[in-house]
Amino acid sequence: EVQLVESGGGLVKPGSSLKLSCVASGFTFSSYGMHWIRQAPKKGLEWIALIYHDGSNKYYADSVKGRFTISRDNSKNTLYLEMNSLRSEDTAMYYCAKGATRDFYVMDAWGQGASVTVSS
Amino acid sequence: DVQMTQSPYNLVASPGESVSINCKASKNINKYLAWYQQKPGKGSKLLIYDGSTLQSGIPSRFSGSGSGSDFTLTIRSLEPEDFGLYYCQQHNEFPFTFGSGTKLEIK
Repeated sequence: EVQLVESGGGLVKPGSSLKLSCVASGFTFSSYGMHWIRQAPKKGLEWIALIYHDGSNKYYADSVKGRFTISRDNSKNTLYLEMNSLRSEDTAMYYCAKGATRDFYVMDAWGQGASVTVSS
Repeated sequence: DVQMTQSPYNLVASPGESVSINCKASKNINKYLAWYQQKPGKGSKLLIYDGSTLQSGIPSRFSGSGSGSDFTLTIRSLEPEDFGLYYCQQHNEFPFTFGSGTKLEIK
């Protein structure tokens, strides 16, 4: 069974940094692209980043480009999201998701999410 | 960015009925449209991708149609467990974008 477990969320002040982790199990992590998606309170879903299976390519939403970095350690089956210069509008539940087998631009398994609150 | 306009915002239906949710893209996205179901406090579940391809393990009462800029998710013979939020997502180009969501409530 595919499992994705996010951690590292919390309450931080504007301008600070935070690093989320997502530990994957139940599939060959190194073979799949991985995504981060977020959902602000009472809002819809926002895709924020994709990393290819081997880390060779990374793509970001404009809202986080230059501030957030997606990375992975295939030896640890772990996906990361490093978040710098955090703003109040970054407050959200952050989900990691596995790229689908047939098309890794869609997400066929999601974690339960990690909550990030940016407030002074 | 491709804007995804989803309708209706809210839907109330009884078990056994059929419902449809629409998603309109601001430009041609070919067939590259996915549908997800989200339950409270959980990550989302992929239902349909490439406009009409049913994800493995998803019941056949779910179906998707459309191409270009207009797409529809149809759920036939609603089951009580089908309540939740439904989102469309275009996977044609970066950045991937989602619709605003449709809340399906079961009577």
